[in-house]
Amino acid sequence: GIQVEQSPPDLILQEGANSTLRCNFSDSVNNLQWFHQNPWGQLINLFYIPSGTKQNGRLSATTVATERYSLLYISSSQTTDSGVYFCAVEPYSGGGADGLTFGKGTHLIIQP
Amino acid sequence: DAGITQSPRHKVTETGTPVTLRCHQTENHRYMYWYRQDPGHGLRLIHYSYGVKDTDKGEVSDGYSVSRSKTEDFLLTLESATSSQTSVYFCAISGNGGNQPQHFGDGTRLSIL
Repeated sequence: GIQVEQSPPDLILQEGANSTLRCNFSDSVNNLQWFHQNPWGQLINLFYIPSGTKQNGRLSATTVATERYSLLYISSSQTTDSGVYFCAVEPYSGGGADGLTFGKGTHLIIQP
Repeated sequence: DAGITQSPRHKVTETGTPVTLRCHQTENHRYMYWYRQDPGHGLRLIHYSYGVKDTDKGEVSDGYSVSRSKTEDFLLTLESATSSQTSVYFCAISGNGGNQPQHFGDGTRLSIL
């Protein structure tokens, strides 16, 4: 099956710093999503972004489908950004709603 | 927030007992999913549904069954629970057109002793 690799696995930053999280995937996809799991365990959908660039406040994401990677940018980090960030994909061969394959996540800690 | 309710939120049970987890949605979405989350593995797909009585297996379906008799409810059953099924279980839904964002419930923490 499709492989999803996220880097770095862990990241510790001071409040106000910027960061870039990377997601590499091993096959063509028709569905790529970024999630944030907060310290209480809730999973929040940040972006649905199979290609192109999107922005939402301090967060933005870019997917270069032809090169099989996606980037999540966090600017001016706040302590509430702490948690685990997951990239998840569905292969192009899927039906568009067949379920996602998740990477193992990037654990982000923002220190005050 | 998407209207997704998982029940129970926590459960402790013994090996060999049957367990049923419920996912209830108020969004009238066609697609529903069950995932499990374990340390070192991230989230893995167990089963999914693309409509009433239409379900399919995911990556880690062995030992699990599902049912969907109504659009709003998706049940996950462990027929005879084993300690390896101790995990956090998440339900997710996505919209009717396919290729839509998935939204997750708050999870069920299941411990099998």
